[in-house]
Amino acid sequence: DGGITQSPKYLFRKEGQNVTLSCEQNLNHDAMYWYRQDPGQGLRLIYYSQIVNDFQKGDIAEGYSVSREKKESFPLTVTSAQKNPTAFYLCASRRQGRIQPQHFGDGTRLSIL
Amino acid sequence: QKEVEQNSGPLSVPEGAIASLNCTYSDRGSQSFFWYRQYSGKSPELIMFIYSNGDKEDGRFTAQLNKASQYVSLLIRDSQPSDSATYLCAVNVVTGNQFYFGTGTSLTVIP
Repeated sequence: DGGITQSPKYLFRKEGQNVTLSCEQNLNHDAMYWYRQDPGQGLRLIYYSQIVNDFQKGDIAEGYSVSREKKESFPLTVTSAQKNPTAFYLCASRRQGRIQPQHFGDGTRLSIL
Repeated sequence: QKEVEQNSGPLSVPEGAIASLNCTYSDRGSQSFFWYRQYSGKSPELIMFIYSNGDKEDGRFTAQLNKASQYVSLLIRDSQPSDSATYLCAVNVVTGNQFYFGTGTSLTVIP
């Protein structure tokens, strides 16, 4: 089945540790996105990528890094510089085009140990 | 000013009633508008989208768009307890690849 796969579903980070969240899609979508959602809040954009080997910062990119080496994959690294990483992380993808919707993976819930 | 604003609710309606969810946006160049449903602890799922003024119907759901008033709404007819969720409004701005999300409206359908 086509879809967006995020892993792991739950992740725990120790102080000073970098962790990487995986996002893979087999929908042949060009654009991919990472969002962060805190309890009772909307989605805030961390990074997005429209094509391979290119990505742009969103509103809250500090403390995060991404890569886009393959069209199917857009991993997010939460670095030790991100002091409040506890949140629900959502990956999305979409076809290019002004009326194309975003589709979401199931999310990764990150907590601090 | 926030790009997309929604009444956070909670909104409660009895089963079988019409639920009306509203969203306003600030960027007049916004091109397309999306409604997502998010159950607690789950990721958002697309309900429908609209990009032309007027109404768009899909089953029990109707999206309404008024670009002059910068307003988009979602009506849910014959509301069911399974419709209880948070509904997110998203706007695709003129640059085309960024989406802005509202904080969501929490809906409870009372049996």
